[in-house]
Amino acid sequence: SQQGEEDPQALSIQEGENATMNCSYKTSINNLQWYRQNSGRGLVHLILIRSNEREKHSGRLRVTLDTSKKSSSLLITASRAADTASYFCATDRNEKLVFGKGTKLTVNP
Amino acid sequence: DAGVIQSPRHEVTEMGQEVTLRCKPISGHDYLFWYRQTMMRGLELLIYFNNNVPIDDSGMPEDRFSAKMPNASFSTLKIQPSEPRDSAVYFCASSFDRGYFASPLHFGNGTRLTVT
Repeated sequence: SQQGEEDPQALSIQEGENATMNCSYKTSINNLQWYRQNSGRGLVHLILIRSNEREKHSGRLRVTLDTSKKSSSLLITASRAADTASYFCATDRNEKLVFGKGTKLTVNP
Repeated sequence: DAGVIQSPRHEVTEMGQEVTLRCKPISGHDYLFWYRQTMMRGLELLIYFNNNVPIDDSGMPEDRFSAKMPNASFSTLKIQPSEPRDSAVYFCASSFDRGYFASPLHFGNGTRLTVT
């Protein structure tokens, strides 16, 4: 069964807007990771946040982690058409990385 | 580095045939994972290896599925006999380290399997 659940399942925005995706999980974790998948390709790692961290930035990406609520969010600022993809959170526990079903983001030019 | 390499990229086969998927992980990565992706079930972890040894195969759906890692640079996932419900995209991924100090997974581009 999925450990992480992303919300929303789909998101459509205009170029230049911010996109926020949320992830909830059920059990304790070592870290939480976000990945991106373009159509027909493998997943690409975006950012990793460890269980003792609360916020992390990488370029236009901002990830938060609230272990008390067992939730994380991914914010993409100033979105571009090239950001169109599916985004997955993955919870890392006991060596296994378990993925949610993803949020499909569409950025309209 | 060429990244994780999977072959073939596409495989179409008839029900009952044997299918073998191949993966070459990134050199120096100690962990190798096999995932299956479908619209209905998302990404499912099938099995993973550490230093060529299978650690957890609890995600392998049935005895028709088997995976091997004869050396650090090669792994196979075999389905025998294949069934239409095995149709999916199969991903291989490798990682340098796991646990609290885990490094990210690096994915191949997958093998799209269609069983008719």
